[in-house]
Amino acid sequence: DGGITQSPKYLFRKEGQNVTLSCEQNLNHDAMYWYRQDPGQGLRLIYYSQIVNDFQKGDIAEGYSVSREKKESFPLTVTSAQKNPTAFYLCASSIPTGGASPYGYTFGSGTRLTVV
Amino acid sequence: DAKTTQPPSMDCAEGRAANLPCNHSTISGNEYVYWYRQIHSQGPQYIIHGLKNNETNEMASLIITEDRKSSTLILPHATLRDTAVYYCIVRVGAGNNRKLIWGLGTSLAVNP
Repeated sequence: DGGITQSPKYLFRKEGQNVTLSCEQNLNHDAMYWYRQDPGQGLRLIYYSQIVNDFQKGDIAEGYSVSREKKESFPLTVTSAQKNPTAFYLCASSIPTGGASPYGYTFGSGTRLTVV
Repeated sequence: DAKTTQPPSMDCAEGRAANLPCNHSTISGNEYVYWYRQIHSQGPQYIIHGLKNNETNEMASLIITEDRKSSTLILPHATLRDTAVYYCIVRVGAGNNRKLIWGLGTSLAVNP
């Protein structure tokens, strides 16, 4: 079955270390997104990519970096410059062009990052 | 900058219809309304979306007012598994700058 896989589900890192979160999709979607969710909050957009080798900053990109070398993969690196990295991170994909995507955005199951 | 407002929480009895309201008074003519739900510590799940007309699928119905300033998501026969946070979202932008604007959602508790 097609879907989005995020790994790992739980991640613990020491303060000051960079960490990379994996996101892989086999839906043949062109667009991919990274969101951050904090307790009791809605989702906030970190980065998004509409096509391979191209990506744009979202609303809270500072302290994060991404790459899009393959259509299927959109890894997110949380750098030491991110002041408050502990959060729930969600990856999503969609069909970006044309009319409204019939199924909107498909989300992964998330990675919970805890920095100690 | 959420473009939608929803009540923070609602209760519903199992087997009854759950009607979740959403205000989007600043929505523009080409902006779609999406509904997603999120069960604790999981990724959001797409439910339904619409532009002007009422919509129905196997999960829910979406009623959009004629002036498009509000909508209601209807779960016709709520079950305990429908307990989740429900997000009413407006999709803004066009082409490659299209994105979803998320609010805080409504926490729906379905009670036995």
